[in-house]
Amino acid sequence: SQTIHQWPATLVQPVGSPLSLECTVEGTSNPNLYWYRQAAGRGLQLLFYSVGIGQISSEVPQNLSASRPQDRQFILSSKKLLLSDSGFYLCAWSVNFNEQYFGPGTRLTVT
Amino acid sequence: GDSVTQMEGPVTLSEEAFLTINCTYTATGYPSLFWYVQYPGEGLQLLLKATKADDKGSNKGFEATYRKETTSFHLEKGSVQVSDSAVYFCALRTNSGGYQKVTFGTGTKLQVIP
Repeated sequence: SQTIHQWPATLVQPVGSPLSLECTVEGTSNPNLYWYRQAAGRGLQLLFYSVGIGQISSEVPQNLSASRPQDRQFILSSKKLLLSDSGFYLCAWSVNFNEQYFGPGTRLTVT
Repeated sequence: GDSVTQMEGPVTLSEEAFLTINCTYTATGYPSLFWYVQYPGEGLQLLLKATKADDKGSNKGFEATYRKETTSFHLEKGSVQVSDSAVYFCALRTNSGGYQKVTFGTGTKLQVIP
């Protein structure tokens, strides 16, 4: 069966520090991968998606970036965090136009 | 562009009450429609889906019918339990150039009190 992992589960970082969140998927090949952010009191915002290794599309311009170094690995990064980057970050995967499956999320607090 | 509108919460109900969470959408083409549920501190889980007009999705006592004429996908449950307390997201999916685009509503928080 397929599983999706995210880590860390929670993270507290000061403003201006770097960020690296990792997402990995097991049990499937060549998935579409997605990063979403859920800010407090708001819905889900799609940040990035990837249809293959090295292929990243950005939905919202910001100080975040994403990379896909391996087929089932998706990384969300920032060189310098802003207060507004606080939120709940969710990774998701899908295959062949089926529904998306979400990871457990990472709660990021920028102080 | 695509959009999903959900009723604002929080919705507070007593146990065994009837639940309706309204959802309407705007989309080009023929989207698939979903309800996701997010329990406190967790990620989203797919609750139910419908892929074409008049389809009814159902799971765990929840139901929603894809109404193309009213562009709606309202979530209903006949008798809610305390364990149903969560945030519910309505979403639509369209396919464009091999990429699935999923648009979520802002979520509706449900609180069920004993």
